[in-house]
This record gives sequence, C-alpha cells and structure tokens, in this order.
Amino acid sequence: GQQLNQSPQSMFIQEGEDVSMNCTSSSIFNTWLWYKQDPGEGPVLLIALYKAGELTSNGRLTAQFGITRKDSFLNISASIPSDVGIYFCAGQLGAQKLVFGQGTRLTINP
Amino acid sequence: DAGVIQSPRHEVTEMGQEVTLRCKLISGHNSLFWYRQTMMRGLELLIYFNNNVPIDDSGMPEDRFSAKMPNASFSTLKIQPSEPRDSAVYFCASSYGRGYTFGSGTRLTVV
Repeated sequence: GQQLNQSPQSMFIQEGEDVSMNCTSSSIFNTWLWYKQDPGEGPVLLIALYKAGELTSNGRLTAQFGITRKDSFLNISASIPSDVGIYFCAGQLGAQKLVFGQGTRLTINP
Repeated sequence: DAGVIQSPRHEVTEMGQEVTLRCKLISGHNSLFWYRQTMMRGLELLIYFNNNVPIDDSGMPEDRFSAKMPNASFSTLKIQPSEPRDSAVYFCASSYGRGYTFGSGTRLTVV
C-alpha cells in the first residue's frame, strides 16, 4: 500500500536554529499537507501544497511540493519554543483518504 | 465555526465495559474519519465515511469496534467489550475534499 517515509524521526535543536524535515513516497500525490500536533491536541494544518514545484510560506514556515509529486519538505526558520511538537506530512490523491507519515518529533532546547 | 468537536476528552473505563466516543463534524463537511494514535503505531485510520456511508473500514481492529454516522453532522465509535490494548487517543476528522480538520481527541484508558 501507499506509504510515506518521513525523516528525521526526531530532532533536538537549540532555540533560534533552522529546522528542515522531509517526506518521500513511492506513489504520486496531487496534494501534500503538513500538520503539527501539540501535546494533548489533534493535528492542525500548517501548509497545503497543490501543484508540483509549488513553494509556499506561512510565517517562518516554508514548504515545497516536489517536481515529481513524490516528495515534500518543510523548513522552519529561527525556531522558538512553541515550535515544539510532532510534525506530520500527508499525501492525498484526488479526494481520497490522506496517507500520513510517521511524524517528526521536534524538541527545542532553550 | 466551532471546528470538529469530540467528547469526552478523557475516558477511563474498566476492561469489559462498553465505550462510546462521539464526534460532531464541521457544518458542510461530507467526509468523516476516525483515527487511533499510539506511540508504537502512530496515526492509524480506522474507518471513514463519505456522505454518511462507510467507505473503508479495513482499519477497524476487530468486531469489538463499530462506527456509525446517523446523520450528516454526527458520528460515534463504539468499543464493546473494551480491552486494555484499546488504550490510545482517538481522533475524528472531517473534510470537504482536500485536507482534514481534526478534533482534539479522546484519550481512552482501559484498566
């Protein structure tokens, strides 16, 4: 079945550092989504990407949809303590169900 | 819009008891998804509905789990009888086409 490989599984960084994580798939998707989950809450949508090659920013977050439609990355610039959480990538083909990655757990040392 | 609303937020029950989790969709959304999240297995899709019709229940662990969508805005996930290995956080999410909106989850502990 479809699977998303998300890396790294966890990151430990210092406050102020930039963060980069990515997601790859053996399948093509026409929508890539990045979610963040805070402790005790459900995942919240950060960025949605709809076109191959598309680069989208949301504040300090930037995400790109790979040209092959099989990968995506998420960058966070100048990390702050509230960026702590689990980041999930998800791929969607048409209006079908989302396929989620296993998540990247981000920990920030002050 | 109040978003996807789940209840209860926390549930502690004894093994063998029936558990019912509830979810209210965002108005206008026509797809409903139930997920289970654990440390070991991450987010697992249990079942999803489109226009109140179950489309894919292949993720439902076993017959002890059942889900219903009696109307366009409400769904329940029932576990009967519950077992300790069912302990997890259960999320529902709703959608209208692209992307999902998740509820805050129900943390279930079966002792």
